[in-house]
Amino acid sequence: DIQMTQSPSTLSASVGDIVTITCRASQSINSWLAWYQQKPGKAPKLLIYKVSGLESGVPSRFSGRGSGTQFTLTISSLQPDDFATYYCQQYNSYPRTFGQGTKVEIK
Amino acid sequence: EVRLVESGGGLVQPGESLRLSCAASGFTFSSYWMSWVRQAPGKGLEWVANIKQDGSENHFVDSVKGRFTISRDNAKNSLYLQMYSLRAEDMAVYYCARDSLTAPGTMDVWGKGTTVTVSS
Repeated sequence: DIQMTQSPSTLSASVGDIVTITCRASQSINSWLAWYQQKPGKAPKLLIYKVSGLESGVPSRFSGRGSGTQFTLTISSLQPDDFATYYCQQYNSYPRTFGQGTKVEIK
Repeated sequence: EVRLVESGGGLVQPGESLRLSCAASGFTFSSYWMSWVRQAPGKGLEWVANIKQDGSENHFVDSVKGRFTISRDNAKNSLYLQMYSLRAEDMAVYYCARDSLTAPGTMDVWGKGTTVTVSS
């Protein structure tokens, strides 16, 4: 199975900050990488697919980059609604696997 | 409105069985792969299984192979997860999710989840 490792596990930031989360795959997943946002008690929400494709309705302050085994999610100007946990997910092969999550907290 | 509503969760003892259902509405259910994803209390997301549009193909995470089955009834717009020999480590919120057509392999619509508790 492909292991996905996110860093950091927790991130403290302020409104307006630029925030970057890293996701590493244990082997190449080409560009088959997605990002989700999850708020407490809620279902995850798809933000980005295929490394950098923005899901419909997702604000443009979210962006993704990377290839192969290393990927990043950047929030260009953190907004109050962005405090949540973020997960990367590979869909290069089965089983689909998620990173352990990065919690973005208010500083 | 595109909607997924899970049901069937509850409290079971280790070794028992449970069947989860997911009712889909607002989209052409038969056109989509469908998935189950779970989240243990305080933990991250774990993809569990998915099933092809016509039910002819499915995939499972290793930890549930041989214990869980996935099925669908396109006439009823419903997805199911039959769980046998439940273990403490199966305790989680189980989400039903639609696989994206834009990006197959990602999940673009999710239900609110149903909670499975495994305890003696």
